[in-house]
Amino acid sequence: GQQLNQSPQSMFIQEGEDVSMNCTSSSIFNTWLWYKQDPGEGPVLLIALYKAGELTSNGRLTAQFGITRKDSFLNISASIPSDVGIYFCAGLMKTSYDKVIFGPGTSLSVIP
Amino acid sequence: KAGVTQTPRYLIKTRGQQVTLSCSPISGHRSVSWYQQTPGQGLQFLFEYFSETQRNKGNFPGRFSGRQFSNSRSEMNVSTLELGDSALYLCASSEVGTGYEQYFGPGTRLTVT
Repeated sequence: GQQLNQSPQSMFIQEGEDVSMNCTSSSIFNTWLWYKQDPGEGPVLLIALYKAGELTSNGRLTAQFGITRKDSFLNISASIPSDVGIYFCAGLMKTSYDKVIFGPGTSLSVIP
Repeated sequence: KAGVTQTPRYLIKTRGQQVTLSCSPISGHRSVSWYQQTPGQGLQFLFEYFSETQRNKGNFPGRFSGRQFSNSRSEMNVSTLELGDSALYLCASSEVGTGYEQYFGPGTRLTVT
């Protein structure tokens, strides 16, 4: 079945460094969403992408909808301790109904 | 606007029992989706309700069911609980539907013993 792969699985970075993570699939998606989840909480929507090639920013976060529609990228600039958490990508494909699939997540740790 | 609320936040049940979880969406949102989150399987889509009708369904057994009321509040029910049903159950609401700009609640942590 359809599956999303996220890489890296986890990362440990120094405060102030930039972060890059990506989400790939063998399937084509119509929408890409990026979420962040803190421990004990539900995921929070960070960025939504609706068009191939689209580049969208939200503060220090920038995400791109891949041209092939099979991938998406998330960058965080100048990381801070509160960036710690698990980042999920989610893809929406339109079949006979809307089907959303979540990636396994990238765990980010920021060392002060 | 108030966010998505879920009750209860924590629940401990015994194998074989049934459980009902509740979700109140953001005011004005008509779509409510439910997800199961476990360390091994990640976030798995259970089902979506829109205007009191189940619109989408994931690959879960019939023991998992849900409903939505006219005020868009939703409940999900799990019957004949199994140990593997222990998970964080998340509810998300959206104006439009699954996969669009969904807003998640804090989840209900279900432990089956």
